[in-house]
Amino acid sequence: NAGVTQTPKFQVLKTGQSMTLQCAQDMNHNSMYWYRQDPGMGLRLIYYSASEGTTDKGEVPNGYNVSRLNKREFSLRLESAAPSQTSVYFCASSDLSYLAQYFGPGTRLTVL
Amino acid sequence: AQSVTQLGSHVSVSEGALVLLRCNYSSSVPPYLFWYVQYPNQGLQLLLKYTTGATLVKGINGFEAEFKKSETSFHLTKPSAHMSDAAEYFCAVSDGPNDYKLSFGAGTTVTVRA
Repeated sequence: NAGVTQTPKFQVLKTGQSMTLQCAQDMNHNSMYWYRQDPGMGLRLIYYSASEGTTDKGEVPNGYNVSRLNKREFSLRLESAAPSQTSVYFCASSDLSYLAQYFGPGTRLTVL
Repeated sequence: AQSVTQLGSHVSVSEGALVLLRCNYSSSVPPYLFWYVQYPNQGLQLLLKYTTGATLVKGINGFEAEFKKSETSFHLTKPSAHMSDAAEYFCAVSDGPNDYKLSFGAGTTVTVRA
């Protein structure tokens, strides 16, 4: 039981490049989330998926897109990376029976 | 919409001393409240949560928090700090059972002095 896994762990991009961050959970949770963490700002929600087949914008969605591929997987795509997207990205999942969110180990992204 | 304020971005305590981390929230409905801990270069781990019922909530690693509706607070305490408690702590709130989203505070970094 791996919980929430994220790939890659580290990534360096040049401005304008694209990439997809992958997230998978094996806890059969309905809901999944993408956050970014920046110093002094806590975690801010980028997008979330309340259930398979649905996605919604969070607090800071600009410059990102998401895909809920199936119940297990939720990917985050940067179409044209900008230096302002340098951050640590966390994926999380939750279930209404437990309410709390479980977090992955994070992806540290640097955009030059 | 809910919001969370954590008072103090850094807290330094001596080993064996009380740890007190402050969290105040705003919410238009009875909230669900959470404390998470983040060790260096790791993801967030749930310490404890308040949903309904008893207002004093006990979590892992000897931490507890008390929900005070009149003060809109959910402060985290541990009677005796250990070196392993050095980490960043985040308070989070959601608008009850029908809201999937969490709003996080900015975090408080705890250092423990020997």
